[in-house]
Amino acid sequence: EAGVVQSPRYKIIEKKQPVAFWCNPISGHNTLYWYLQNLGQGPELLIRYENEEAVDDSQLPKDRFSAERLKGVDSTLKIQPAELGDSAVYLCASSLGTSGGANEQFFGPGTRLTVL
Amino acid sequence: GDSVTQMEGPVTLSEEAFLTINCTYTATGYPSLFWYVQYPGEGLQLLLKATKADDKGSNKGFEATYRKETTSFHLEKGSVQVSDSAVYFCALSGYSSASKIIFGSGTRLSIRP
Repeated sequence: EAGVVQSPRYKIIEKKQPVAFWCNPISGHNTLYWYLQNLGQGPELLIRYENEEAVDDSQLPKDRFSAERLKGVDSTLKIQPAELGDSAVYLCASSLGTSGGANEQFFGPGTRLTVL
Repeated sequence: GDSVTQMEGPVTLSEEAFLTINCTYTATGYPSLFWYVQYPGEGLQLLLKATKADDKGSNKGFEATYRKETTSFHLEKGSVQVSDSAVYFCALSGYSSASKIIFGSGTRLSIRP
């Protein structure tokens, strides 16, 4: 069974440029998460989707960040414009659901963003 | 709010040494507790978990016991291998928000042959 797929794995851009990250969750997983991981820190949740609905986006900086999961499967996270402080690893995770044994989250390898 | 504190790294040990990585938490109610591992170049993987007090999670020779009285979930392994070199994250999922995982800052472990 394929795991969570993310692309690109690495991205280097200049500040003020836009950037997008793509995530394909494990087949059948209804819940999708985007996390931000700064260097030397643990991941922090940015947004959680239940199917195509964003049910927790309280930590997403909405002035420059946006996300979508149009058909309830793949998801895209966008930053426009990027700032130097956005340099980090962006992780995607998915789970079957959010209760009981279904809430185990499976993580992708992440996209490492460097903003110059 | 809920939080996790784990011992700072890096931790460097010789092969076959005993490992302890300390983790304490602050949470209301009865959270679930986790240890995740991140090997170089790979995504986070769930290593073990415990969902109630006195539960012991175990996997790949690693163990951690949910201690409510000390709000701790320390990770232990009796004999580490070079292949255990990775970053280890302690985490919790709150009773009131089971889908939101709060992570500690991670502990980098390096094992010398």
